[in-house]
Amino acid sequence: QVQLVESGGGVVQPGRSLRLSCAASGFTFRSSGMHWVRQAPGKGLEWVAVIWYDGSNKDYADSVKGRFTISRDNSKNTVYLQMNSLRAEDTAVYYCARGRTYSSGWPGGHAFDIWGLGTMVTVSS
Amino acid sequence: QSVLTQPPSVSGAPGQRVTISCTGSSSNIGAGYDIHWYQQLPGTAPKLLIYGNNNRPSGVPDRFSGSKSGTSASLAISGLQAEDEADYYCQAYDSSLSAWVFGGGTKLTVL
Repeated sequence: QVQLVESGGGVVQPGRSLRLSCAASGFTFRSSGMHWVRQAPGKGLEWVAVIWYDGSNKDYADSVKGRFTISRDNSKNTVYLQMNSLRAEDTAVYYCARGRTYSSGWPGGHAFDIWGLGTMVTVSS
Repeated sequence: QSVLTQPPSVSGAPGQRVTISCTGSSSNIGAGYDIHWYQQLPGTAPKLLIYGNNNRPSGVPDRFSGSKSGTSASLAISGLQAEDEADYYCQAYDSSLSAWVFGGGTKLTVL
């Protein structure tokens, strides 16, 4: 069945690094743009990063630009999020999500149609 | 402060109809970009509920509908059921931020 499974979360000290992984199954991963979206405890959703289906393009929210790097391995059906220089405000559940572009086209017609269960990242000393 | 503004909470009795508003600006909804809606049940991941302003993915009941006008959009839920109690988020693309943005979320309580 269609599934996204995140892993790699945990407790990390400020300034340190962490790498999240998201394993996909049940759909053609190599044809799909992939995103990371996060949710701080008790807060709303925040888009973090996107990578195109072939890895040729990437984009980031201003809040993580220069610190986080999204990548993918289509041979392993996996997308990654390398998080460096972590801050307390990066504490959140991190979801990976498949992006799908509907009739209105890119980027306005682009929504997140499949979500993983999420992995918790806590940045604390 | 979210780029898209939603009411923090709405409520309704079973069987009633409720609407959730989502107000944006000329760089997102007003720019003609689509609005998408997500439902997040307690303790679970978000789920795509409405895409492209008013389209339902397979499996979403027709009790859920969306609309968009100008710089605002709305999600309507008719025939409220206890299982609809959840957080609802609107989402669009913002050209000023060059980013996909979400509303702050609306908690729906079924009385």
